[in-house]
Amino acid sequence: EAQVTQNPRYLITVTGKKLTVTCSQNMNHEYMSWYRQDPGLGLRQIYYSMNVEVTDKGDVPEGYKVSRKEKRNFPLILESPSPNQTSLYFCASSFKGGIQYFGAGTRLSVL
Amino acid sequence: AQSVTQLGSHVSVSEGALVLLRCNYSSSVPPYLFWYVQYPNQGLQLLLKYTSAATLVKGINGFEAEFKKSETSFHLTKPSAHMSDAAEYFCAVSEAGSGGGADGLTFGKGTHLIIQP
Repeated sequence: EAQVTQNPRYLITVTGKKLTVTCSQNMNHEYMSWYRQDPGLGLRQIYYSMNVEVTDKGDVPEGYKVSRKEKRNFPLILESPSPNQTSLYFCASSFKGGIQYFGAGTRLSVL
Repeated sequence: AQSVTQLGSHVSVSEGALVLLRCNYSSSVPPYLFWYVQYPNQGLQLLLKYTSAATLVKGINGFEAEFKKSETSFHLTKPSAHMSDAAEYFCAVSEAGSGGGADGLTFGKGTHLIIQP
């Protein structure tokens, strides 16, 4: 079954404690992307990747890092989380020029 | 630069009534346009997309949308609302050619559709 898998689905952490949210897709997509969703703001892109070892900033990259060492995986790293990064995060993937497939989301709370 | 405006953060309709969710876009180049739906505690699913073929686009679950260049609009409609349509709906735009892939999609802020019994 074609899918984008995010883990964990729910995470509560404290300010400054490094965390990683994993994302994996099984569709051999070149493009992968991370979004955050906040009430009244819709989805805003954090980072995207066009292929292995190729990443670029989206609209709200501050405080986040990504890596793309393998085609199927695109982890999102928060080196020093802060409360303003409390949000719902989505990973998505696509072929170039194709529609995006979304993961089920990760709800992060930073205390 | 491209942007999307969804009019109304919340829309409430009665079961069986017409659903109309409004979306206006701004794009300096011919756009591709999309509607996504998000059910509670789930990710986004593509409802339909416009990619410069027919201006009236039919999607899943009885939804359709019409691209009107003169009005820069891409409103989503469904003739008869069902309780299962209650969800968050997002309009999105990308540049023609990028196809709405993970590199070039801009989302609106979303419209929460409420269905009254």
